[in-house]
Amino acid sequence: EADIYQTPRYLVIGTGKKITLECSQTMGHDKMYWYQQDPGMELHLIHYSYGVNSTEKGDLSSESTVSRIRTEHFPLTLESARPSHTSQYLCASSRGPGTEAFFGQGTRLTVV
Amino acid sequence: DQQVKQNSPSLSVQEGRISILNCDYTNSMFDYFLWYKKYPAEGPTFLISISSIKDKNEDGRFTVFLNKSAKHLSLHIVPSQPGDSAVYFCAASVKDSSYKLIFGSGTRLLVRP
Repeated sequence: EADIYQTPRYLVIGTGKKITLECSQTMGHDKMYWYQQDPGMELHLIHYSYGVNSTEKGDLSSESTVSRIRTEHFPLTLESARPSHTSQYLCASSRGPGTEAFFGQGTRLTVV
Repeated sequence: DQQVKQNSPSLSVQEGRISILNCDYTNSMFDYFLWYKKYPAEGPTFLISISSIKDKNEDGRFTVFLNKSAKHLSLHIVPSQPGDSAVYFCAASVKDSSYKLIFGSGTRLLVRP
């Protein structure tokens, strides 16, 4: 069973609000990722991290930002939420090459 | 340009029969391939993987086949069970230091009792 947790599971918030999606893992993995998925579509990588103090933009442009101050914690922040940010956000971690990524349960974000 | 493609959005199979899910890729730098299962409003769950140096990997009812020359992989589920009904995603790992996964768009499998 994967030890990676995301909170909240569901979030409905008004336009213009600042939000932070939390992601924590207890497996000691260096590599962490944020994916965004819309219904019926592929998962798009929006951010990743090699380790503490290392973050990179993913393949899909996103207005969100991330930080990696501790190995186990990789939060995602939206400074001003918009309806176009409505989506499912999935956090993952892995040990490295030739291994699977473990996913959290996701956060379903709705911006009204 | 989509590097990992799952051209069948859905598949319906009778319980007890074989389910075959297909995936094509375009990037020859992929060196590790994975299949994930996903339920709505949940995160993907890892099923099975295969390294590019192999052509087959088996785990219980699940077998993944890799044809590098055709840039094609498939997931076989035998026998299929109603609990297998979910969306299945194919993913490939880039051969660089990020180890990020590139996903296909998924195939929705329905196993009919």
